[in-house]
Amino acid sequence: DIVMTQSPDSLAVSLGERATISCKSSQSVLYSSNNKNYLAWYQQKPGQPPKLLINWASTRESGVPDRFSGSGSGTDFTLTISSLQAEDVAVYYCQQYYSTPLTFGGGTKVEIK
Amino acid sequence: QVTLKESGPVLVKPTETLTLTCTVSGFSLSNTRMGVSWIRQPPGKALEWLAHIFSSDEKSYSTSLRSRLTISKDTSKSQVVLTMTNMDPVDTATYYCARTTKYGPLVDYWGQGTLVTVSS
Repeated sequence: DIVMTQSPDSLAVSLGERATISCKSSQSVLYSSNNKNYLAWYQQKPGQPPKLLINWASTRESGVPDRFSGSGSGTDFTLTISSLQAEDVAVYYCQQYYSTPLTFGGGTKVEIK
Repeated sequence: QVTLKESGPVLVKPTETLTLTCTVSGFSLSNTRMGVSWIRQPPGKALEWLAHIFSSDEKSYSTSLRSRLTISKDTSKSQVVLTMTNMDPVDTATYYCARTTKYGPLVDYWGQGTLVTVSS
C-alpha cells in the first residue's frame, strides 16, 4: 500500500495570510505514460463530508476559489491557501489514486490564529 | 445533480455483520466510467478507504479489511451494498459512500455519511 504522510498535523494562520500543507507519498504517484500525478486534495468542514478541491495534483474543481492551489510531482505535494478566509477553517486531506487500495493522509487541521 | 445516500443500522453488536446500502441518483451504475466507493472515518480520526465497485463488476478492497468486506451492486435499484463481518467497537465510524470515476479512480461526490456504533 502507498502511505501518505501529511504535515503539519495542524496549523493556525491569520486571516489573509498564507497556509501551506505538505503531503508525501511512500512511492511515486506520477504515471509516466500520461505524465499525470494521481493525487487529490479534499476539504472537510466540521459535521460535513469531504469535498474534492483539487485533482491531478493541481487541477481545481469547478467552483473552488483560486486562492486554493496544488503543486508538486512524484512523491512531494503541497496545498496552498494563498489568503486564508474564515470559511477555510477545515481539515484537509491528500489522497493518492495511483493504485488500489486508495490511501489518505492523516489530515491537517487549519484554524484561524 | 449527483447525490448519494447511505442507509443502515446505527447500532450493531460486536461479532455481528454490518450491511450498508448506498442509493445513488444523478448518475447510473451502468455507466462504464462510474462506480462507488465506501470510505469510513472513526470519530475525530482520518479517512479510510474500504472498497469500490464499477459497472463491469470490477471490485477492489482495503488490504487490511479484505477478509471481512463484500461489495455488490444492484444497477436496477441504483444501489451499492457493503457488508462487513465480525464487527468490533474499533469499527465505530461514520461510513460514507462516494461516486468514483474510472479516471483514476478518482472519488468526487460524497454522501452525507451514516454513523455506525458498535457496542453491546
